[in-house]
Amino acid sequence: NAGVTQTPKFQVLKTGQSMTLQCAQDMNHEYMSWYRQDPGMGLRLIHYSVGAGITDQGEVPNGYNVSRSTTEDFPLRLLSAAPSQTSVYFCASSKGQESSPLHFGNGTRLTVT
Amino acid sequence: AQKITQTQPGMFVQEKEAVTLDCTYDTSDPSYGLFWYKQPSSGEMIFLIYQGSYDQQNATEGRYSLNFQKARKSANLVISASQLGDSAMYFCAMRRNTDKLIFGTGTRLQVFP
Repeated sequence: NAGVTQTPKFQVLKTGQSMTLQCAQDMNHEYMSWYRQDPGMGLRLIHYSVGAGITDQGEVPNGYNVSRSTTEDFPLRLLSAAPSQTSVYFCASSKGQESSPLHFGNGTRLTVT
Repeated sequence: AQKITQTQPGMFVQEKEAVTLDCTYDTSDPSYGLFWYKQPSSGEMIFLIYQGSYDQQNATEGRYSLNFQKARKSANLVISASQLGDSAMYFCAMRRNTDKLIFGTGTRLQVFP
């Protein structure tokens, strides 16, 4: 069972570079989301999607873009990386029900220098 | 707007004792779900327990129980008979209907022998 797969696990970028964090799930979940985790701030929602073709902003969307062309994939794009985007990023998915818990990927540790 | 508050940055508990981790929430919606997650030092996010706003009884899962007080908007996690392996970060989260899931800032629990 693959569950939620995130790649890469680690990434170092220079300020101004762009990159895409990949996220794929094989559970046919309608809901997918991206969080960033910073010390003392918990997990903050960046963007989320309730189904293919539908995305919406979370708490901290600035500097990030997403798209959801298929049910399985939900990539997160950093267009011009900044040191403030140094963080651990988690992708998560769930069924589209209020009671459905999120299934998390293993995280991507991103450092922007 | 949704908001989750965890006021205890850190808690200590002796092995085999019970511990309560606090969580309060703010929402004007009548329908919502509350979740608790555990994050050990290895970094993965582990779902522990769920409570629906219309559930009449407090949720329980093994040694975990949720002390749900709807009028006070609190959803405290109770861990009975603490074990050394319970040492981790614990996050409370809320989902309104089938919308986004918002997390609190977390509580670091340390269990000592």
